[in-house]
Amino acid sequence: DTAVSQTPKYLVTQMGNDKSIKCEQNLGHDTMYWYKQDSKKFLKIMFSYNNKELIINETVPNRFSPKSPDKAHLNLHINSLELGDSAVYFCASSQTSAANTQYFGPGTRLTVL
Amino acid sequence: QQQVKQSPQSLIVQKGGISIINCAYENTAFDYFPWYQQFPGKGPALLIAIRPDVSEKKEGRFTISFNKSAKQFSLHIMDSQPGDSATYFCAVLKMDSNYQLIWGAGTKLIIKP
Repeated sequence: DTAVSQTPKYLVTQMGNDKSIKCEQNLGHDTMYWYKQDSKKFLKIMFSYNNKELIINETVPNRFSPKSPDKAHLNLHINSLELGDSAVYFCASSQTSAANTQYFGPGTRLTVL
Repeated sequence: QQQVKQSPQSLIVQKGGISIINCAYENTAFDYFPWYQQFPGKGPALLIAIRPDVSEKKEGRFTISFNKSAKQFSLHIMDSQPGDSATYFCAVLKMDSNYQLIWGAGTKLIIKP
């Protein structure tokens, strides 16, 4: 039933480690997104893929690398984690890149110690 | 460069009262104005949206009022209930080759019983 799912829900790790967050959508959508939500709840788009092609790449450290093996999946890999990477990361999808509505996953709370 | 200004940052309303959250935008090229609702531990979800060809849209207890000349739109929650307690985000849709939502900073709404 889950439309947009993310794993893991919680991720606690040490500075300098490399980690990945996985996202899957079963809505048949063409476009997927990664957002970062900081402690003040501000939502910042990081990346967007349309049919496995990168279409939005905001100013994000190159330690963050998205990968879309197919249009239903968009994973986020983070190298050399820093304290400032601690946040909630949301995956979202929309029917197309021109669609108005985005459907969000439940989020992954990343804590870097 | 902040293109969407949302206020207030937080709001406390008594049960049964009217909650009002405001957003102001800078670019007249926007043509879609959604409000998203986010409960703790969940991702944002579309609540209600309006296009600039109408001045008001109502869905149940939720109403968007839109003032194109003032470049402002607001969310009104009538008969506010404790279950409405959440963070609310306004957004605007940017019309270019990549349809990218631009988000307000969010308003934390608490409805007191």
